[in-house]
Amino acid sequence: DSGVTQTPKHLITATGQRVTLRCSPRSGDLSVYWYQQSLDQGLQFLIQYYNGEERAKGNILERFSAQQFPDLHSELNLSSLELGDSALYFCASSPRDTVNTEAFFGQGTRLTVV
Amino acid sequence: AQKITQTQPGMFVQEKEAVTLDCTYDTSDPSYGLFWYKQPSSGEMIFLIYQGSYDQQNATEGRYSLNFQKARKSANLVISASQLGDSAMYFCAMRESQGGGSQGNLIFGKGTKLSVKP
Repeated sequence: DSGVTQTPKHLITATGQRVTLRCSPRSGDLSVYWYQQSLDQGLQFLIQYYNGEERAKGNILERFSAQQFPDLHSELNLSSLELGDSALYFCASSPRDTVNTEAFFGQGTRLTVV
Repeated sequence: AQKITQTQPGMFVQEKEAVTLDCTYDTSDPSYGLFWYKQPSSGEMIFLIYQGSYDQQNATEGRYSLNFQKARKSANLVISASQLGDSAMYFCAMRESQGGGSQGNLIFGKGTKLSVKP
């Protein structure tokens, strides 16, 4: 158990809908990362927050947004969902975001858009 | 250009033998970290081992060791005495220092699927 909790574990929804994925980082970790893993694109970095502030942005679509709350949990919002958004979404956390710091991953949320 | 390249989509190894999974990286940053993760079929990502760009010695963690060749920009993972439970996807990742107080996020390769044969 990495200590990172993601909910829900599975989500099935229809095209055009909006969903929210939730992440609770490990106790004391200030940095939260979101990744999308699909068969054809591999692990794609979406966005990073550090202590409530956006730190870095990757290949995140405009239909997607995220935030990190004062208690450090984070939510990833996906709207106007398309079939191609079906993927495994990971949250990871680390105490710092220095080069020598590993990130610990949650079990992921498997999103299926039908 | 890809930052992390894993050229072996799939590999087979006999149980109890050693196996090397290749990883090459591309960076101009003198300060960076290299990581290996394991993803079993259940889906979770498990951190295995870390190597810093300034580390003089190769990292080791139990049966895992990292063959770090800085000049060649390679960071190959060596698994000794393979076990059936080692069957999984293995990802190489890198963090760079982006300067200006903002460190880099983890960039992943496409992974290598390792199958351990009994």
